[in-house]
Amino acid sequence: DGGITQSPKYLFRKEGQNVTLSCEQNLNHDAMYWYRQDPGQGLRLIYYSQIVNDFQKGDIAEGYSVSREKKESFPLTVTSAQKNPTAFYLCASRRSAVYGYTFGSGTRLTVV
Amino acid sequence: GIQVEQSPPDLILQEGANSTLRCNFSDSVNNLQWFHQNPWGQLINLFYIPSGTKQNGRLSATTVATERYSLLYISSSQTTDSGVYFCAVATSQGGSEKLVFGKGTKLTVNP
Repeated sequence: DGGITQSPKYLFRKEGQNVTLSCEQNLNHDAMYWYRQDPGQGLRLIYYSQIVNDFQKGDIAEGYSVSREKKESFPLTVTSAQKNPTAFYLCASRRSAVYGYTFGSGTRLTVV
Repeated sequence: GIQVEQSPPDLILQEGANSTLRCNFSDSVNNLQWFHQNPWGQLINLFYIPSGTKQNGRLSATTVATERYSLLYISSSQTTDSGVYFCAVATSQGGSEKLVFGKGTKLTVNP
């Protein structure tokens, strides 16, 4: 079955460390997105990519980095510059403008 | 940027009751989606509804784009309907489209 796979589901990071969250899709979708969700809040856009080798900053990109070397993969790195990284991270993809968005099951990151 | 407001923020129902969730948005949008977030965090797409009315079982949604609002109806609610319902609108920015979320309506259905 086609879908979006995010790994790991739970991740613990020590302060000062970088960590990379994986997002893989086999839907053949062109566009991919990373969102952050804090408790009791909606989702906020971190980065998005419309095509391979191209990506744009969203509303809260500071302290994060991404790459899009392959159509099916869009990893997110949470760097030590992100001051409050503990959150739930969701990856999404979309085939084109006339289709809706599909989300992965998320990664819960905790800084210890 | 565009503002998306959902109401009510919290809703508690008895099993079998009906409910209406509202989503207001501040500008014209390309599209609108309703999602259900289950207790494990998974976002399930309910409706992709830029305008008009759609129905799927006990759920239906109506979007009136000219008046900048959308409604999600849940009939004969069940405990499994509990969770957070998000409205998200798609807007164009610099030639790219992005999805902007409201803060959600937390629904609790009691047996």
